[in-house]
Amino acid sequence: DAGVIQSPRHEVTEMGQEVTLRCKPISGHDYLFWYRQTMMRGLELLIYFNNNVPIDDSGMPEDRFSAKMPNASFSTLKIQPSEPRDSAVYFCASSGKSYNEQFFGPGTRLTVL
Amino acid sequence: KNQVEQSPQSLIILEGKNCTLQCNYTVSPFSNLRWYKQDTGRGPVSLTIMTFSENTKSNGRYTATLDADTKQSSLHITASQLSDSASYICVVTGQNAGKSTFGDGTTLTVKP
Repeated sequence: DAGVIQSPRHEVTEMGQEVTLRCKPISGHDYLFWYRQTMMRGLELLIYFNNNVPIDDSGMPEDRFSAKMPNASFSTLKIQPSEPRDSAVYFCASSGKSYNEQFFGPGTRLTVL
Repeated sequence: KNQVEQSPQSLIILEGKNCTLQCNYTVSPFSNLRWYKQDTGRGPVSLTIMTFSENTKSNGRYTATLDADTKQSSLHITASQLSDSASYICVVTGQNAGKSTFGDGTTLTVKP
């Protein structure tokens, strides 16, 4: 398996634009997590899904952020409109039957100008 | 408030030396504790996972210990290598599945 796949790897956009980050979890994994990492705040859990259903989105910073998982092999994290303070590295992770061992993707480095 | 505190914030050691990283937590009730290694520009990679009933877990030169009574964990690295230079993150999960609290990490630099 190729591991967790994220795209794009880098995204530079202007304030106010819509940004969509994509994730393909490891095949057969039941859990999918979206994280954000910054120097100031470290690694933060934004939302996680179990069997494509959002379970906990309490980490989503505000209504500008939304996440979907239309099927077991694909998830998106959307920011609309984007702001400079959204600049961060966004990680997607997945885990199997146990949520314990999460496998992280390479991340998407987002820069909002 | 549930917290995970790691120390030291950064550490520099010489290649071949041992080191120990600390993690103190207040998450309760506790489910499991994980240590991750994150190389610069990459996603975190799991090193060890321990439940409350486990005292120690090894992964090669990495050994994690857990004292659930004092809510402390340590990660010991033996015979360090240059490739051990990374950030090490302690993550504690409460019994609410998926609700994890992350430490700020310890940045380890191994010098030749």
